[in-house]
Amino acid sequence: DAKTTQPPSMDCAEGRAANLPCNHSTISGNEYVYWYRQIHSQGPQYIIHGLKNNETNEMASLIITEDRKSSTLILPHATLRDTAVYYCIVRVNFGNEKLTFGTGTRLTIIP
Amino acid sequence: NAGVTQTPKFQVLKTGQSMTLQCAQDMNHEYMSWYRQDPGMGLRLIHYSVGAGITDQGEVPNGYNVSRSTTEDFPLRLLSAAPSQTSVYFCASSYRAGRAYGYTFGSGTRLTVV
Repeated sequence: DAKTTQPPSMDCAEGRAANLPCNHSTISGNEYVYWYRQIHSQGPQYIIHGLKNNETNEMASLIITEDRKSSTLILPHATLRDTAVYYCIVRVNFGNEKLTFGTGTRLTIIP
Repeated sequence: NAGVTQTPKFQVLKTGQSMTLQCAQDMNHEYMSWYRQDPGMGLRLIHYSVGAGITDQGEVPNGYNVSRSTTEDFPLRLLSAAPSQTSVYFCASSYRAGRAYGYTFGSGTRLTVV
């Protein structure tokens, strides 16, 4: 599985868009980008995933660069409940049974 | 629809004791797994199962046993608890083995071994 790099922490004002970057320069052609988040003391929560096209769901948008070496998770209107650790994971969508969680980005939403 | 239910939420064990952490899901998910999370660290996979009767080791399996006799349940057994097993344990399930999206995690079991 490809390795990812995320900033350890970020702040965002409530109501603004939160843009969380992830670098995955060694990503392979069949590897997807997945985002999960972990709100304090709870189990991780799936947010979104994508291969090469931009994706949007009710929680967030995922922008993947054309060369696929990096991506950005966008929370369009951040609320205090979005304060969490956000994990960017890169792996194939078959076979390998492990989700590798690194240390992620601790996002703090400021009132 | 309860999702993934873990019991107990908190547990204190003495060194050498054994216990079973329970995990149940009501979503008819094929894949179930156990992770541990130590302070300030990411999650590490202990054991996983791709269906009833099938289990396999993750990256940190030593000291733990699992079985999967039904689709719904995936208990984690600590054979002889050690202080190094003090951690938060999360159970997760997914509709289809091999898919990395749509995992549902339980709320965790906080275990302290003294």
